[in-house]
Amino acid sequence: SQQGEEDPQALSIQEGENATMNCSYKTSINNLQWYRQNSGRGLVHLILIRSNEREKHSGRLRVTLDTSKKSSSLLITASRAADTASYFCATVLNSWGKLQFGAGTQVVVTP
Amino acid sequence: GAVVSQHPSRVICKSGTSVKIECRSLDFQATTMFWYRQFPKQSLMLMATSNEGSKATYEQGVEKDKFLINHASLTLSTLTVTSAHPEDSSFYICSARDPGQVIYSNQPQHFGDGTRLSIL
Repeated sequence: SQQGEEDPQALSIQEGENATMNCSYKTSINNLQWYRQNSGRGLVHLILIRSNEREKHSGRLRVTLDTSKKSSSLLITASRAADTASYFCATVLNSWGKLQFGAGTQVVVTP
Repeated sequence: GAVVSQHPSRVICKSGTSVKIECRSLDFQATTMFWYRQFPKQSLMLMATSNEGSKATYEQGVEKDKFLINHASLTLSTLTVTSAHPEDSSFYICSARDPGQVIYSNQPQHFGDGTRLSIL
């Protein structure tokens, strides 16, 4: 199985609800990154959490990191229809910044 | 913020055609760019690391003669799919490291909007 597995694969919620997705990885990391991809578009960086951090916030996003369990979670609070997208976690594989992406979670937020 | 432009956004062509995709960093110099391939409803698969002024580093299983990468300047990397066939149809995305950072692994990457390649 690949580095950076995510669950659930798909998530369907209503506006106003929270969305939580999880990511697991296998090797030791320097940091873990979360990206968002709208359908048919490139990726947009959301948040980076370093290995010595346990939690990080950015607007309605909250990311946690548990290095002992090699896992991270992304929480989107008070979701909006515009949050509909695929979300990927990524770990850095080398000093050049080469990324390994998880399988992704497809989130659909209905009005 | 750093912007990466990818062109074209969509290509439809006949089997046997070679297709060139451009990836430009618009407001920064990118010594390293990355090329990914993505199939529908799947994650991104790294194809190669493109370094300015040197040969690209290809991932295992990626044919370097099939997917030619040229990174001739600090703002442009190109991916050429040579003699494309229907199985090469996919979504290709490039990215560049955040500029001006010493510890590259600690910084996010900036992505182009992707190129949808359809080979008939």
